Amino acid sequence: DAGVIQSPRHEVTEMGQEVTLRCKPISGHNSLFWYRQTMMRGLELLIYFNNNVPIDDSGMPEDRFSAKMPNASFSTLKIQPSEPRDSAVYFCASSIGTSGNTIYFGEGSWLTVV
Amino acid sequence: GNSVTQMEGPVTLSEEAFLTINCTYTATGYPSLFWYVQYPGEGLQLLLKATKADDKGSNKGFEATYRKETTSFHLEKGSVQVSDSAVYFCALVQAGTALIFGKGTTLSVSS
Repeated sequence: DAGVIQSPRHEVTEMGQEVTLRCKPISGHNSLFWYRQTMMRGLELLIYFNNNVPIDDSGMPEDRFSAKMPNASFSTLKIQPSEPRDSAVYFCASSIGTSGNTIYFGEGSWLTVV
Repeated sequence: GNSVTQMEGPVTLSEEAFLTINCTYTATGYPSLFWYVQYPGEGLQLLLKATKADDKGSNKGFEATYRKETTSFHLEKGSVQVSDSAVYFCALVQAGTALIFGKGTTLSVSS
């Protein structure tokens, strides 16, 4: 299995630009998660989907952030407009349900906003 | 709400030393507990897990036992190697929720 695939792996963008991060979960997994990792805050859950439906988006920082999951094999996390404080590693992860099954992580998208 | 607290690092050890990284949790009900490891520049990988009280998860020489009475899931390894240098995350999940992580503990092992 290819695992969770994220793109881009690295992105450097200017403040104010739109950033779109993409994720392809493991085939057959019906739960998808977006996490953000920073030195200051560690790993924070931004949002998670179950069967393509957003279940908990309480971790989304503000209206500049939005996430979609149009089908079972694709999700996007968009930041518009981006700010320097959004610089972080964004991880996508997937699992079969959320009842103790292993959650598999992608390799992350390293975002730098200058 | 649910939370995970793990010892702050960095933890610096010599090769073949004994490792303990403490992890305690707060949760309603009976969560499943995990240790994930993150090597430099990579994503998180599951190291081990335990889904009920008194279960012991083990992998690659690492062990952790789910202790409900002390709400703990401490990670141990009898003899660490340089290749174990990484960041270790304790985490919990309950049905219908996402993984909640501790802050992470950096382990540095020197030869």
